[in-house]
Amino acid sequence: AQKVTQAQTEISVVEKEDVTLDCVYETRDTTYYLFWYKQPPSGELVFLIRRNSFDEQNEISGRYSWNFQKSTSSFNFTITASQVVDSAVYFCALRFYNQGGKLIFGQGTELSVKP
Amino acid sequence: GAVVSQHPSRVICKSGTSVKIECRSLDFQATTMFWYRQFPKQSLMLMATSNEGSKATYEQGVEKDKFLINHASLTLSTLTVTSAHPEDSSFYICSARERGQRGGRQETQYFGPGTRLLVL
Repeated sequence: AQKVTQAQTEISVVEKEDVTLDCVYETRDTTYYLFWYKQPPSGELVFLIRRNSFDEQNEISGRYSWNFQKSTSSFNFTITASQVVDSAVYFCALRFYNQGGKLIFGQGTELSVKP
Repeated sequence: GAVVSQHPSRVICKSGTSVKIECRSLDFQATTMFWYRQFPKQSLMLMATSNEGSKATYEQGVEKDKFLINHASLTLSTLTVTSAHPEDSSFYICSARERGQRGGRQETQYFGPGTRLLVL
């Protein structure tokens, strides 16, 4: 099965808290890409990060960091010192190397950051 | 860079009419464009994949005669919802994949801002 699971449907935190959004994927392919997108209330999907299956280096970009663990098929996303503007739905997605670019999305995690 | 636009952003139409939605890649050439549908509080559902100059590939369960897709150039794809009915009301989002070499920006889909369709 090829699937992306975001078990957390909704998360609510208070501003300045750290929050981790979980993403677990299933695939038999050895070569694939993983993505995170942010969808604010306006609706547009904003690209956050792409990670290749052969690159397990973790990445940090400002308050955002990503932890890719092939051994557990997880690609978790952490926001440090959350802000109200981080409130959005976050989607994790999987794409196979040779399948024309089709993305498989998780169900999304709605993050609410309260002041 | 990698900006995708959609027009219109919102449309309200009467049942039975057809609606055309445009998706444009503004600063890159897109070999492939994708059309998604999203219902409230749900994930994105891929409807079809279109490659410039060829027929679109529809996902299972998507009516190709109902949702006509045309990808006439490397920067423009259109989705026409024919004879729209209230159940077609949804949020339609396109994305584009840049033409280019493997491993670069070409591996990422960039999304448009979406079109909210309401059929009365």
